[in-house]
Amino acid sequence: NAGVTQTPKFRVLKTGQSMTLLCAQDMNHEYMYWYRQDPGMGLRLIHYSVGEGTTAKGEVPDGYNVSRLKKQNFLLGLESAAPSQTSVYFCATTQGGSYEQYFGPGTRLTVT
Amino acid sequence: GEDVEQSLFLSVREGDSSVINCTYTDSSSTYLYWYKQEPGAGLQLLTYIFSNMDMKQDQRLTVLLNKKDKHLSLRIADTQTGDSAIYFCAEGEGILTGGGNKLTFGTGTQLKVEL
Repeated sequence: NAGVTQTPKFRVLKTGQSMTLLCAQDMNHEYMYWYRQDPGMGLRLIHYSVGEGTTAKGEVPDGYNVSRLKKQNFLLGLESAAPSQTSVYFCATTQGGSYEQYFGPGTRLTVT
Repeated sequence: GEDVEQSLFLSVREGDSSVINCTYTDSSSTYLYWYKQEPGAGLQLLTYIFSNMDMKQDQRLTVLLNKKDKHLSLRIADTQTGDSAIYFCAEGEGILTGGGNKLTFGTGTQLKVEL
């Protein structure tokens, strides 16, 4: 039972490049979230999903897109990376009716 | 919008008690949480409290909530070196609102435990 996994763990991009971060969960949770963590700013919600095929914007959605084609996967895309998107990205999941969000180990992204 | 604030650093000696404080602005918060982040890892839920409670105790952890002042604290008794981590306060609208149980996190408090 792997819980929440994130791929890749590290990535360096050049400005303007694109990439997709994958979050996978094997807990059959309905809700999934993408956060970014920046020094001195805590975690900020980028996008979230309350079920397969649905997505919604969070606090800082600009420059990101997401998809939830399968219940177990939540993809975060950067179409044209910018240095301001240098951050650590965390995925989290929860079951409807649960208090706890379960976090993945994070992806450290650097945009040069 | 919602705002959650914490002090950035706290240093304590091993065996002492640690108190980490948090203030929030959203009066409609239904649940308040404390998460722990160890170096290089994701966040892990430590404890949570309903907004209609004043206190919750869980082994070495005591959570106090002053709803009037919108102030939340986490006390760790007999702090150990293994407690060194970043502690995040978070507030949420609840799990039954249909809004996705979104959380707003504070900036995190880095706890350093010295020998």
